[in-house]
Amino acid sequence: EAGVAQSPRYKIIEKRQSVAFWCNPISGHATLYWYQQILGQGPKLLIQFQNNGVVDDSQLPKDRFSAERLKGVDSTLKIQPAKLEDSAVYLCASSSQGAGGYEQYFGPGTRLTVT
Amino acid sequence: GENVEQHPSTLSVQEGDSAVIKCTYSDSASNYFPWYKQELGKGPQLIIDIRSNVGEKKDQRIAVTLNKTAKHFSLHITETQPEDSAVYFCAASRSGNQFYFGTGTSLTVIP
Repeated sequence: EAGVAQSPRYKIIEKRQSVAFWCNPISGHATLYWYQQILGQGPKLLIQFQNNGVVDDSQLPKDRFSAERLKGVDSTLKIQPAKLEDSAVYLCASSSQGAGGYEQYFGPGTRLTVT
Repeated sequence: GENVEQHPSTLSVQEGDSAVIKCTYSDSASNYFPWYKQELGKGPQLIIDIRSNVGEKKDQRIAVTLNKTAKHFSLHITETQPEDSAVYFCAASRSGNQFYFGTGTSLTVIP
């Protein structure tokens, strides 16, 4: 079974530029999560989708971050405009949440550096 | 919201010894507590989890205990091996929603 795919793996941009990250979850997983992991910290949930609907985006900085999952499969996370403090690893995870299963499976992440 | 605290932040043990990492949480509605191992340059990998209706769970050398009353849970790794060296994260969740992570423990197993 293929795991969660993310691209790109690395991205360097200047502040005030925009950037987008892509995630392809494990096949059949209805739930998709985006996390921000700043160096030396634990992942912080930005947004959670169930199919193509948003379950939780309470910690998403909506003035600059946006995410979509139009067909309930792939998802994109966008930052516009980027700030220096957005430098982090952006992780995507998926879960089947079927029959009460809550296990999350993470992708390798995208490391963003904002200069 | 939920607050998850994790200790210690770093831990060094001799190969073959045991390692214990502890976490506390604040939200009594949290009912799912996973532990993840993260190696350099990789995403977190689920190693064990426990639900609020269970007090202890074991999988080979890894075990997790949960004390709902005190709102704390712990990861126990026995017979540690060099390949156990990594950063470990605890998390708390409400039924697979609203995941909150601890700050991580960097474990070093000395051969």
